[in-house]
Amino acid sequence: GAVVSQHPSWVICKSGTSVKIECRSLDFQATTMFWYRQFPKQSLMLMATSNEGSKATYEQGVEKDKFLINHASLTLSTLTVTSAHPEDSSFYICSASPGSFYEQYFGPGTRLTVT
Amino acid sequence: QQQVKQSPQSLIVQKGGISIINCAYENTAFDYFPWYQQFPGKGPALLIAIRPDVSEKKEGRFTISFNKSAKQFSLHIMDSQPGDSATYFCAAGQGGSEKLVFGKGTKLTVNP
Repeated sequence: GAVVSQHPSWVICKSGTSVKIECRSLDFQATTMFWYRQFPKQSLMLMATSNEGSKATYEQGVEKDKFLINHASLTLSTLTVTSAHPEDSSFYICSASPGSFYEQYFGPGTRLTVT
Repeated sequence: QQQVKQSPQSLIVQKGGISIINCAYENTAFDYFPWYQQFPGKGPALLIAIRPDVSEKKEGRFTISFNKSAKQFSLHIMDSQPGDSATYFCAAGQGGSEKLVFGKGTKLTVNP
């Protein structure tokens, strides 16, 4: 149980284009989803928290107009990186919480490379 | 700023040995302490978690020890295996917030 999927697993895009990453909770309803960014050999950096049907809450320093988050249903959240640049290249990981006291289940991650 | 300090940064253990990773926190409002295991190129997987009302929790070869007064908690991996080689992250959660604060991670290598 508690499976979270992400799609795509990796993506290469050209500078200036937009990329959408999907995060789905497969066997539970996620009241809250989180989006993280992870640089090589570093810890997870929380980018934003989203609740179904509400606007996402972004962490300080994260550009909300660049990283658009939509939590359309209790099983789906999307992260769109708009006008991507090489410095946006990173490993993006989502997690989902069923609402039971902080438990977060992570997706397998999406490797984004912007050329 | 809320922090969780994790040590060591890297750890090398022989097969069959005990791996010990430590974390310390400052905010006494934290009341949920999970450990995550991450393999290269994969997302973190919840390994084991503890709440401050108990001092120890064991699941198979993995044990969390929790010292509330010292504001420290640790992960013990008994009979470490090469397949345990991964990066381990401790984290802490605070009541009223669904967010987790992560440590910087420990890269564990178990030599055969």
